Amino acid sequence: KAGVTQTPRYLIKTRGQQVTLSCSPISGHRSVSWYQQTPGQGLQFLFEYFSETQRNKGNFPGRFSGRQFSNSRSEMNVSTLELGDSALYLCASSLDPGTSEKLFFGSGTQLSVL
Amino acid sequence: QQQVKQSPQSLIVQKGGISIINCAYENTAFDYFPWYQQFPGKGPALLIAIRPDVSEKKEGRFTISFNKSAKQFSLHIMDSQPGDSATYFCAATLNAGNNRKLIWGLGTSLAVNP
Repeated sequence: KAGVTQTPRYLIKTRGQQVTLSCSPISGHRSVSWYQQTPGQGLQFLFEYFSETQRNKGNFPGRFSGRQFSNSRSEMNVSTLELGDSALYLCASSLDPGTSEKLFFGSGTQLSVL
Repeated sequence: QQQVKQSPQSLIVQKGGISIINCAYENTAFDYFPWYQQFPGKGPALLIAIRPDVSEKKEGRFTISFNKSAKQFSLHIMDSQPGDSATYFCAATLNAGNNRKLIWGLGTSLAVNP
């Protein structure tokens, strides 16, 4: 069974640009969560999607958005990039947000904003 | 009240030694306590988890000790190996109906010297 796939693996953008990151969950997993990881800040929860609906949202500005498609694949978008958005963005999938407690993470997208 | 405090921030252990990482929480509604292991360039992976009705859980060289009255739990790595060098995150799950919220510690960087 293939794991969680995130693309692209690395991304370099400049301030003011926007970026879209993609996540394909494990086959059969319907819940996708997104996290921002920076040194010293640990894993910061961005949002969680299930059945194409956002179920939970973290404390991030509206520049951060996401969506989930009918095949459970998910994308997150960051508009008007700032230097502080440089981070590793991780996607995690699970069977179902209400009953499944085991998260399976992808290897992440390393975003650098110059 | 929803924080999970993890210590130490970094840890250096000699090969064969015992690595101990501690976490503390305040919210007694947490009902699931996982530990995740993250290697450089990879996403976190579930290592071991415990529920509050159990005081200890062991899987190979990894043991979780759980002290419900003190609201603390710890990860013990026996016979630590250089391959255990990674960042370890504790977390706690808060279930509210059909909605799961995972609260993360800030991580411990473990280095095992050969």
